[in-house]
Amino acid sequence: QVQLVESGGGLVKPGGSLRLSCAASGFTFSDYYMSWIRQAPGKGLEWLSYIGSSGSTIYYADSVKGRFSISRDNAKNSLYLQMNSLRAEDTAVYYCARRGYGGYDLGYWGQGTLVTVSS
Amino acid sequence: QSVLTQPPSVSAAPGQKVTISCSGNSSNIGNNYVSWYQQLPGTAPKLLIYDNNKRPSGIPDRFSGSKSGTSATLGITGLQTGDEADYYCGTWDSSLSAGAVFGGGTKLTVL
Repeated sequence: QVQLVESGGGLVKPGGSLRLSCAASGFTFSDYYMSWIRQAPGKGLEWLSYIGSSGSTIYYADSVKGRFSISRDNAKNSLYLQMNSLRAEDTAVYYCARRGYGGYDLGYWGQGTLVTVSS
Repeated sequence: QSVLTQPPSVSAAPGQKVTISCSGNSSNIGNNYVSWYQQLPGTAPKLLIYDNNKRPSGIPDRFSGSKSGTSATLGITGLQTGDEADYYCGTWDSSLSAGAVFGGGTKLTVL
């Protein structure tokens, strides 16, 4: 079955960096686009970034453009999010998600990893 | 403020029907498929509807979706207490800042 497991979250100081990973299993990773989405405490979902199946097509939300970088390693079935210049408002649960069934949709989600930005 | 507009909350009694609206514009809902997600407390979101009105395997037909112009609607019939959750609409936005967008979420209370 499809499984997505995020890791790499934790406590980081403002201005610091963190790299999140998402380990995929149960499907042919290289066939699917992937995305990162976050959810601040008590808030709604915020889409962050998309990467195509080969890694050649990438999009970012304006809120993280220039600070966050998405990448993937199809040989390792892994998705990454490099987060730099972190701010207090980046505090959130970060989810990786896989394409579902149709146009743009997110059919499978990981359990999320918490990132806390605080001094 | 979210790109897609949803009501903050809706409520209905068990067994009743409820609808949740999602409003956008021509660069997002108007020209792209809409999906809907259910997020139960403390869990990751789950895909309920994709391509405006299709249900993934395992999603009961109590859940339905529709789209008209720049708006979409999620319908839930035969409400159950287990349906209490936050519901989000989502779609792709084809504007200059291309990317996915979500609604602000709607809290469903089953009275």
